[in-house]
Amino acid sequence: DTGVSQDPRHKITKRGQNVTFRCDPISEHNRLYWYRQTLGQGPEFLTYFQNEAQLEKSRLLSDRFSAERPKGSFSTLEIQRTEQGDSAMYLCASSSSGLDSYEQYFGPGTRLTVT
Amino acid sequence: AQSVTQPDIHITVSEGASLELRCNYSYGATPYLFWYVQSPGQGLQLLLKYFSGDTLVQGIKGFEAEFKRSQSSFNLRKPSVHWSDAAEYFCAVGPMEYGNKLVFGAGTILRVKS
Repeated sequence: DTGVSQDPRHKITKRGQNVTFRCDPISEHNRLYWYRQTLGQGPEFLTYFQNEAQLEKSRLLSDRFSAERPKGSFSTLEIQRTEQGDSAMYLCASSSSGLDSYEQYFGPGTRLTVT
Repeated sequence: AQSVTQPDIHITVSEGASLELRCNYSYGATPYLFWYVQSPGQGLQLLLKYFSGDTLVQGIKGFEAEFKRSQSSFNLRKPSVHWSDAAEYFCAVGPMEYGNKLVFGAGTILRVKS
């Protein structure tokens, strides 16, 4: 049983560059979440997919952020024109939509550093 | 607004001693409550959850938590801490509207001294 995987695990980029992260959820899960975690804080919700539909976006998700989940499988999170304030750990989680839908399983995260 | 407060940023306990990590929440309806643990370089691992029923819930790795509605608390406990328990612990509350997103506390870093 493979868990949630994320790629890359670390990304260092210069301010103004675009970056893209990938998340592969647990295969039978149809719900996928993105969270952002900054130093000393807990994860904060960014966006949520059920299958391929993006159903909710946080106010934290500015216009520079876009997420997709084509075909309801893996998801990508793109940040355009990165800023130093984007430096954080980006966490992906997945869950089923059945009785265990409230249990979210997290990936190891992608740590972004913007210089 | 829904929120979670973990009053202790750091806690240090001796190996073999008991542990209690505090969590208070603010939520307008019946909450679903979770404790996650995060080790360095690792993702969040679910320790235990409370949805309804018995207010004392058992989790993995010997942890338990008690839901107290009157105190809006969901404290995590372990009778005897092991050095491998050193990590950061997060309390979370949900579901938040449609989609079951979670709201997390700021975390408590547990240090274990031998």
